Amino acid sequence: DTGVSQDPRHKITKRGQNVTFRCDPISEHNRLYWYRQTLGQGPEFLTYFQNEAQLEKSRLLSDRFSAERPKGSFSTLEIQRTEQGDSAMYLCASNARDRGETQYFGPGTRLLVL
Amino acid sequence: QQQVKQSPQSLIVQKGGISIINCAYENTAFDYFPWYQQFPGKGPALLIAIRPDVSEKKEGRFTISFNKSAKQFSLHIMDSQPGDSATYFCAALGYNAGNMLTFGGGTRLMVKP
Repeated sequence: DTGVSQDPRHKITKRGQNVTFRCDPISEHNRLYWYRQTLGQGPEFLTYFQNEAQLEKSRLLSDRFSAERPKGSFSTLEIQRTEQGDSAMYLCASNARDRGETQYFGPGTRLLVL
Repeated sequence: QQQVKQSPQSLIVQKGGISIINCAYENTAFDYFPWYQQFPGKGPALLIAIRPDVSEKKEGRFTISFNKSAKQFSLHIMDSQPGDSATYFCAALGYNAGNMLTFGGGTRLMVKP
């Protein structure tokens, strides 16, 4: 097992386009989290899943954002009608509910909206 | 509302010196306090973590000191090395408050050879 993976690592898009990111958590981790990190700031929580259920959503997650984890394994984060303010690093993390609190982060997807 | 405040924003330390980073929190529902290390272009990696039932935890050159009454905790890096140069984030989590990490603003540490 090589850890949390995210794809793509970098994405450049034009304002108004839709983008989708994928996260593959560590095998058997039933919890999956999405965070957003802007330059020079700490990550901010967006949403989290336990298995396929989305249990918590931040007020940062506007209606242009949608996240899914259809089979309780990988997750996708879609941003519709991107805005320049969406430019950030999107981080995914995972952990197992019965194996402690540590959240293991992936390398992130860096989004630039032109 | 910034629930976890971190200072300083940047820190320069000579090789072999002690690096000290401080954090303060507001939400008394927090009950798990990790520190993460992040290198440019990488995701945060857990360094060390503490629960509020202990006042200090040491792992190698890294020590967390925790003051529950003051709602403050700090990271000490002993014998700082150039390879420690990175951005450090404190964070807090409440098991009954959603399981999401609330991060501080980060400290950019540079260790000079």
